[in-house]
Amino acid sequence: AQSVTQLDSQVPVFEEAPVELRCNYSSSVSVYLFWYVQYPNQGLQLLLKYLSGSTLVKGINGFEAEFNKSQTSFHLRKPSVHISDTAEYFCAVSDRVNTGGFKTIFGAGTRLFVKA
Amino acid sequence: GAVVSQHPSWVICKSGTSVKIECRSLDFQATTMFWYRQFPKQSLMLMATSNEGSKATYEQGVEKDKFLINHASLTLSTLTVTSAHPEDSSFYICSARDRGSSPYEQYFGPGTRLTVT
Repeated sequence: AQSVTQLDSQVPVFEEAPVELRCNYSSSVSVYLFWYVQYPNQGLQLLLKYLSGSTLVKGINGFEAEFNKSQTSFHLRKPSVHISDTAEYFCAVSDRVNTGGFKTIFGAGTRLFVKA
Repeated sequence: GAVVSQHPSWVICKSGTSVKIECRSLDFQATTMFWYRQFPKQSLMLMATSNEGSKATYEQGVEKDKFLINHASLTLSTLTVTSAHPEDSSFYICSARDRGSSPYEQYFGPGTRLTVT
């Protein structure tokens, strides 16, 4: 079964500094990867996704992620963070299940805290 | 596009009563909808998958008689928490897959905060 590991539960960083949120997944024949952001008491908003093609994926709000098949990683990066980026970030992987449908597994989440 | 709404956004109910949460896809047809549960400072846990016109598929450990799911149309799924107890208090989030887009993608609702007193 697929699994997703987010290596850091919390990441404090100063405003305008770069940040990397790490995500590793268990290997599969084909994998579809996502990063979501969740603000307090809200649902999930898609930041970016990797379905196929270029391994460097650009998303909203200046975030990008790189799919690395050999290291089974999909780390999220932003060159300069803002206070408003403070939120919970979830890495997720979608995979086909036995019934023919698809199932999404979420990582435990990383709390990004941007300090002034 | 691809907007999912949930109603209510928050609800408080007494122990022993039932509460219904609605999930609607506003601008697309959702062949599949998912219900998640999220405890404070934790990740999303999939409760069940529902396909329009068929019975929901529940994840292991989820009581299907307690969490009733109905996916009556391509734009509406409901989750009914029956005989709610304080331990059912949680943040419930639905998501939906657009029949016209990638089967791997899903769009999330804003969530419903349930508090059982």
